[in-house]
Amino acid sequence: EDQVTQSPEALRLQEGESSSLNCSYTVSGLRGLFWYRQDPGKGPEFLFTLYSAGEEKEKERLKATLTKKESFLHITAPKPEDSATYLCAVPCSGTYKYIFGTGTRLKVLA
Amino acid sequence: KAGVTQTPRYLIKTRGQQVTLSCSPISGHRSVSWYQQTPGQGLQFLFEYFSETQRNKGNFPGRFSGRQFSNSRSEMNVSTLELGDSALYLCASSLAGATDTQYFGPGTRLTVL
Repeated sequence: EDQVTQSPEALRLQEGESSSLNCSYTVSGLRGLFWYRQDPGKGPEFLFTLYSAGEEKEKERLKATLTKKESFLHITAPKPEDSATYLCAVPCSGTYKYIFGTGTRLKVLA
Repeated sequence: KAGVTQTPRYLIKTRGQQVTLSCSPISGHRSVSWYQQTPGQGLQFLFEYFSETQRNKGNFPGRFSGRQFSNSRSEMNVSTLELGDSALYLCASSLAGATDTQYFGPGTRLTVL
């Protein structure tokens, strides 16, 4: 069964304290892994798409990487405005359905 | 380019009523997916439409239904509302689904009393 697991569930960082979020996946024939940021009460905002193991993408303080079993979202020198829930998702094998992890709630303290 | 729009943004209904939510995808996007998001369950897939055809459906009761129009706009309907249907309902559009990036709307917050 296709599965996506994110860890940790919650993370508190001091401003400037770098860290990484993990997204482990089990799916036959990965067709893409997607990272989103979601603020409370709003729709998820697209961050990155990764398709192949070894691929990396960067945007401001965020960098996403992909291996054959997991993806990491590295946050370098975070700021309070980076506080949000970060979600990852993959398309299920042979379907048009995407499954989402339960997310990592990130809080960056000033 | 305009993003995904959803109407209404907020709804309050009572048990037993029905509700219809609307989603307008990004121009040129033909795939529309619907999700239910609750604090306990996270984002749960409801169904996906492409060219007016439902290609996949999630594990939800038959009270949840949807459709897509020729202009790719989509609606979802929930009949006989239950308290547990209170959630944020999200619509996402993509070019054709499967491996494409999905872009989400702001959601419709449904409260069932």
